[in-house]
Amino acid sequence: NAGVTQTPKFQVLKTGQSMTLQCAQDMNHEYMSWYRQDPGMGLRLIHYSVGAGITDQGEVPNGYNVSRSTTEDFPLRLLSAAPSQTSVYFCASWGTYGYTFGSGTRLTVV
Amino acid sequence: AQSVAQPEDQVNVAEGNPLTVKCTYSVSGNPYLFWYVQYPNRGLQFLLKYITGDNLVKGSYGFEAEFNKSQTSFHLKKPSALVSDSALYFCAVRSTSYGKLTFGQGTILTVHP
Repeated sequence: NAGVTQTPKFQVLKTGQSMTLQCAQDMNHEYMSWYRQDPGMGLRLIHYSVGAGITDQGEVPNGYNVSRSTTEDFPLRLLSAAPSQTSVYFCASWGTYGYTFGSGTRLTVV
Repeated sequence: AQSVAQPEDQVNVAEGNPLTVKCTYSVSGNPYLFWYVQYPNRGLQFLLKYITGDNLVKGSYGFEAEFNKSQTSFHLKKPSALVSDSALYFCAVRSTSYGKLTFGQGTILTVHP
């Protein structure tokens, strides 16, 4: 039972580059979310999805896009990376016990 | 809007002593409350949740939390701390709306031998 799988674990981008953070879950959960974690600020919701084909914005959506073509996958796209997007990103899916989190992607934008 | 406050950035306790990590919340309607733990370079792990019922909730690794509606608090407790409990702890709340979870800023717990 893999749970929530995030790739890559680490990434360094140059300002202006784009990239996609991958997230996949094998628990058949409908609800998935992307959070970013910054020191002293806890986790802030970027985007979420209540099922395939349905996404919505969270607290800090600017500069990020998502799509949900299948129940399993919920990729996060950075359109034009900025140093302010340096953070640790967590994908999570919602089940009986609340969220199951992936192990995170540590992104540095230089 | 819902919110969570963890008033202590850090909590230090000696091994064997009881520990408390504080959390207060604000939400419309009945709260769904959660505690998560994060070890270095890892994702968050579920500890316990309160949905309804008994105000004292028991969770993983000997942790428990007490829901107090009048004080809008959900403090995490453990009777006897272990060095291995040292980690970052997050309190989180959601309203009855499906799934959107709001996290506190986190409390670093350090248990000294």
